Order: sequence, then structure tokens, then C-alpha cells
Amino acid sequence: LAKTTQPISMDSYEGQEVNITCSHNNIATNDYITWYQQFPSQGPRFIIQGYKTKVTNEVASLFIPADRKSSTLSLPRVSLSDTAVYYCLVGDRGFQKLVFGTGTRLLVSP
Amino acid sequence: GAVVSQHPSRVICKSGTSVKIECRSLDFQATTMFWYRQFPKQSLMLMATSNEGSKATYEQGVEKDKFLINHASLTLSTLTVTSAHPEDSSFYICSASPLRGRSQETQYFGPGTRLLVL
Repeated sequence: LAKTTQPISMDSYEGQEVNITCSHNNIATNDYITWYQQFPSQGPRFIIQGYKTKVTNEVASLFIPADRKSSTLSLPRVSLSDTAVYYCLVGDRGFQKLVFGTGTRLLVSP
Repeated sequence: GAVVSQHPSRVICKSGTSVKIECRSLDFQATTMFWYRQFPKQSLMLMATSNEGSKATYEQGVEKDKFLINHASLTLSTLTVTSAHPEDSSFYICSASPLRGRSQETQYFGPGTRLLVL
């Protein structure tokens, strides 16, 4: 299982772009990278998933360099409601196991 | 799509009683469901992996006789906390991976169940 490392916390202001980087040096060939968002007392919510290069959906972008040893979640123009904990996870097809790291606690201020 | 529900959302019970938590995939079939536990201000910890029709696989340190898992169908898994004690009070979250479709590599999580044992 690939271990992930993220910053423990980040602060931002409304309207700014937030980039959260995750390191996963021992990612395996078949591993995918997935990001989840969690609010207090709620289950994690799927944000985005990718394997290589760049993936974009309606809420975020995921940038993965060629060596895949890191990935960056980009949240455009954050709002107060984006205050949450963000988890980066790495796992193979079928996700037989997901190991959650400490996550990044994002605080968005007015 | 890919909605997972849990019931109940919160439960309070007396020490020594058993509590059952249901996890359902509402709009997809799931061969595999996962159960996590999360203590305040901490990350999620995987307790066990359950596959439809077979015995669950428990993580090291999780007592299988205390946390009974049943995965009777492709849309339902249950976690029963037997003889609950105050230290079992926690936030229990399940997740499921779709059986088919382009989201097979993704786990979708339920809203969680808050258990308080008095």
C-alpha cells in the first residue's frame, strides 16, 4: 500500500484558488489517485480520481506529473463551504484497501 | 448516482447491548463493502472488508467476534457491535465499490453512524 503525505492544514480566503499537494513516492503501476472531502460528522465525499496527467471535473482539477510520485488537487475559487478535510488516497483497481492518512484541514475565511 | 445510505444515523445504547448498523448501496450493486471507524479529530481507520456471500476480512486488532459483519446481498452489508462498551463509541462509516461501470475503482461512502454507548 502506497503511503501518502499531505500538509496537515492550509488557510485560504474566499475566491482564491487552493492547491493541495500529496506525495506518494511508492505508488505502484496499477494505482489510481483519489481525493475525498469530509465535513464534520459526515462520510467522505468523492471529489476526483486520476491515473496520470490532468483530470478535470465540475468541482476540481487533479494534476499528476509523469513520475506519478505526487499529485495536486486544485480547487478553483474556494468558498466558505469548502472548509473541510481533504484526503488523498492511492489504491489499485477494485480498491481492495484504502488507507487514509491524516488529510489536510482546509480553512476558508471571508 | 453512486449513493450509499446508512441506518441509523445515530444511536445511543446502554453498555452490554448490541447495535446493528445497516449500509446500503441505493443505485448500484457492490461486490465489496468496507467498514471504517473514526474517532474525533482523527482519520478513518479501516475495520474490515466484506464481500457478498463470504466472510469478512478484518484488519489487525479488530475483534471479529465483537464486530460482526454480514454481507447478505450486493446492496446490503450490516455491522453489529456486540456487547457494546463506552470505548466503542465512535463514528462508523461504510463504503462500497460499484460492481460494474467506469467507477469500479472508486469507493463511495455512506453518511456515517454516530454510536454512543453509555
